[in-house]
This record gives sequence, C-alpha cells and structure tokens, in this order.
Amino acid sequence: DAKTTQPPSMDCAEGRAANLPCNHSTISGNEYVYWYRQIHSQGPQYIIHGLKNNETNEMASLIITEDRKSSTLILPHATLRDTAVYYCIVRVGYGNKLVFGAGTILRVKS
Amino acid sequence: NAGVMQNPRHLVRRRGQEARLRCSPMKGHSHVYWYRQLPEEGLKFMVYLQKENIIDESGMPKERFSAEFPKEGPSILRIQQVVRGDSAAYFCASSPPEGRYEQFFGPGTRLTVL
Repeated sequence: DAKTTQPPSMDCAEGRAANLPCNHSTISGNEYVYWYRQIHSQGPQYIIHGLKNNETNEMASLIITEDRKSSTLILPHATLRDTAVYYCIVRVGYGNKLVFGAGTILRVKS
Repeated sequence: NAGVMQNPRHLVRRRGQEARLRCSPMKGHSHVYWYRQLPEEGLKFMVYLQKENIIDESGMPKERFSAEFPKEGPSILRIQQVVRGDSAAYFCASSPPEGRYEQFFGPGTRLTVL
C-alpha cells in the first residue's frame, strides 16, 4: 500500500470549513483513498473513500487531484465534536488491512 | 442495526494470566479484523479473519497471541500469559460482503496488565 503524508496538527474555528490535506504521491491505479477519524480513544470511525472522482456524503467531501497524488478531506462546518485524529489511508479496495499512520490532530476551537 | 460489539470494554489481568477479548461483527458482516493501539501510539493491524479461516495474520505476535472466528459466535482474540507490554486498547472491525470496502470499528477493549 502506498505511503501517505499528513500534517501533524491543524486548528479550525467552529463553524468554518476544515480542510485536511494528504499526500500520496506513490499511489497506484487500483488503490483507493480512505479517511477515518478517532475521537479521543474511541474506535476509529469511517468517514469517506474514493478512487479518482470527488465524493461527498453526509459527513464530508473528498477532493482527489487529477493525478491522484494528493487529496483533501473537507468538513464543511466544523463543530467541537469534530476534534479528533484524522487518518488518510491508501489501500487496494477490498479485504485488506488498514495501515494507520500518525494522522492529523484536528482541533476545532470556539 | 447494532454496530460492532466488543466485550468486555475493560479487562484487568495479572501477569501470567490469560485474556480473552470478544468481538461480534455487524449483522451480515463475515469479515473481522483486529487492531491494537499501544499507549500513545498508532493503530496497528493484527489479524484478518473470515468465518473459520485466518486470512492474514501478518501483524500477530509470534507467541502467546491467537485469534479465531468460528462458524457460530463471536470472534475471539486470546492472549496467553499476559505481560505488562500487552496493556493496550484492542479494536475489532468488521466489513460487509465483497463489493463494499468500509471497515466499521467497535468501541474497543482496554486491557490493563498489572
């Protein structure tokens, strides 16, 4: 699975959009980009995933660059409850383990 | 639809005892993964199981650790002769039948070895 690089931490004001970047320059054609988050030692929570098209669900949007070497997770209106560690993971689609890096600590502040 | 269930949520063992951690996947899910999170460290994959089969155990320590997912009942992660270094949060995840890719995690079992 391709390696990912994320900033160690970010701050965001409550109510504003949180944009979390991820670099995955060695991603291969059959690898998906996944985002999970872990809120204060709870079990990780699936957020969204995509292959090459931008994706949106009730939680977030995922923007993948045309060359697929980087992506951005967007939380449109961050709340205090979005404070968590966010993990960007690249892997082949189904049946594979998730390889977690250090992630980005997002702090949403009032 | 209940989520992934793990029990116990907290487990305390003395050195040398056995620890058994249970995971019930979401309804309809037949694939189970176990991950470990040591204090102040990231999540590490341990093992991937389907019903009655171990698919990938590349992250399992070579000794004292075993996992099973029987035809009936929950998946079990068993740690024999626990040591202080086994103190960690153990998370189980499950995934639906082939065609969907997400893994859904349980709340974890926090093991403390005295």
